[in-house]
Amino acid sequence: DQQVKQNSPSLSVQEGRISILNCDYTNSMFDYFLWYKKYPAEGPTFLISISSIKDKNEDGRFTVFLNKSAKHLSLHIVPSQPGDSAVYFCAAIVRGGGNKLTFGTGTQLKVEL
Amino acid sequence: DTAVSQTPKYLVTQMGNDKSIKCEQNLGHDTMYWYKQDSKKFLKIMFSYNNKELIINETVPNRFSPKSPDKAHLNLHINSLELGDSAVYFCASSPPITGELFFGEGSRLTVL
Repeated sequence: DQQVKQNSPSLSVQEGRISILNCDYTNSMFDYFLWYKKYPAEGPTFLISISSIKDKNEDGRFTVFLNKSAKHLSLHIVPSQPGDSAVYFCAAIVRGGGNKLTFGTGTQLKVEL
Repeated sequence: DTAVSQTPKYLVTQMGNDKSIKCEQNLGHDTMYWYKQDSKKFLKIMFSYNNKELIINETVPNRFSPKSPDKAHLNLHINSLELGDSAVYFCASSPPITGELFFGEGSRLTVL
């Protein structure tokens, strides 16, 4: 049972444009959501997070939006840069539940020149 | 100075063998994890230790045995390796509650 889903395995965007990565979840108990970025042959690195009490969190070029009623979150990258090319994982957690992160399957973002 | 380091980075071995992967973190975190990324790219938690105590043990075969000699180390020992164990194993650590995991570079295990 896949509780966190990223339905787009890949996304290609031109440099300077907006990248929008989507994530859906099914477990309404999740109360904290995170995005991780992964380059080849490296471990995932934390990018940005959002609590379920918020609907938006912004950090520089990265903004995460949360729509609780739709159980949907998205990561916006503006403007996209070639160095953003990586796999992006959405993850969710029930705080106080042992810090058990549930990950999506990832979206491969390619930012083209 | 690597925050979470795991060795070896690559491991190729025969079915039936026993192997270990070591992990160390210098971030002072109390909680450490082992995650498995399979061929379908799913990242799934296997184990979590908090200050040397096992707190999460997902449905993992008994052939997998984690050991935490101290809170900075979490090793993974695998007995009687099978083809399906081929995957990338990631070690991670985290501060309390936040969910913000710090991952190692991964150890790619190939079982022939």
